[in-house]
Amino acid sequence: DTAVSQTPKYLVTQMGNDKSIKCEQNLGHDTMYWYKQDSKKFLKIMFSYNNKELIINETVPNRFSPKSPDKAHLNLHINSLELGDSAVYFCASGTKSTEARGWGSQETQYFGPGTRLLVL
Amino acid sequence: LAKTTQPISMDSYEGQEVNITCSHNNIATNDYITWYQQFPSQGPRFIIQGYKTKVTNEVASLFIPADRKSSTLSLPRVSLSDTAVYYCLVGPRGGGATNKLIFGTGTLLAVQP
Repeated sequence: DTAVSQTPKYLVTQMGNDKSIKCEQNLGHDTMYWYKQDSKKFLKIMFSYNNKELIINETVPNRFSPKSPDKAHLNLHINSLELGDSAVYFCASGTKSTEARGWGSQETQYFGPGTRLLVL
Repeated sequence: LAKTTQPISMDSYEGQEVNITCSHNNIATNDYITWYQQFPSQGPRFIIQGYKTKVTNEVASLFIPADRKSSTLSLPRVSLSDTAVYYCLVGPRGGGATNKLIFGTGTLLAVQP
């Protein structure tokens, strides 16, 4: 049972194309995220979303847009792909950790396997 | 959000205990300390989280001194399969769309036979 799944695993496309990456979580979490990991392995958040609000990292170009058809899905649409968009994109969903019980807790995030995007 | 500093890489041998220290001098009162593990070609995986003193689970232990300006992830008796990048994160309590994780460079742990 895959908790957070993404499709496709690999995506190779030409500059200027529009593409989508799908993400599904079966954990019943309310919040989902998209991260980008570049060639230097830096992992940066792009979006966080639940049924109440969408938070966008201000550095993300507006060519990127998340779409959530329901609570279990958060898809990533990318328009007019550029060379610099080549990276690994991770979807994640979140819930509160039980390990810091007694002092409250911070959210624990569960990541998908990643989608390796290569723009030529 | 508090900035973290970790060693870029560490080497170890199978069966040894590995301690990875993370500095977070600007940690805020309501910040928690969380460690994630990332294997090549996979997404990060939650390991452990703590606020103060010591936390232990089936995978690791997390030691946090009283001033909370640093923390140490302890992996007992590592194996080759523990070779991965380990990220230390600090961030505020909460959840939902406003809770975002900021990953640093991480520590690449290489376990040798």
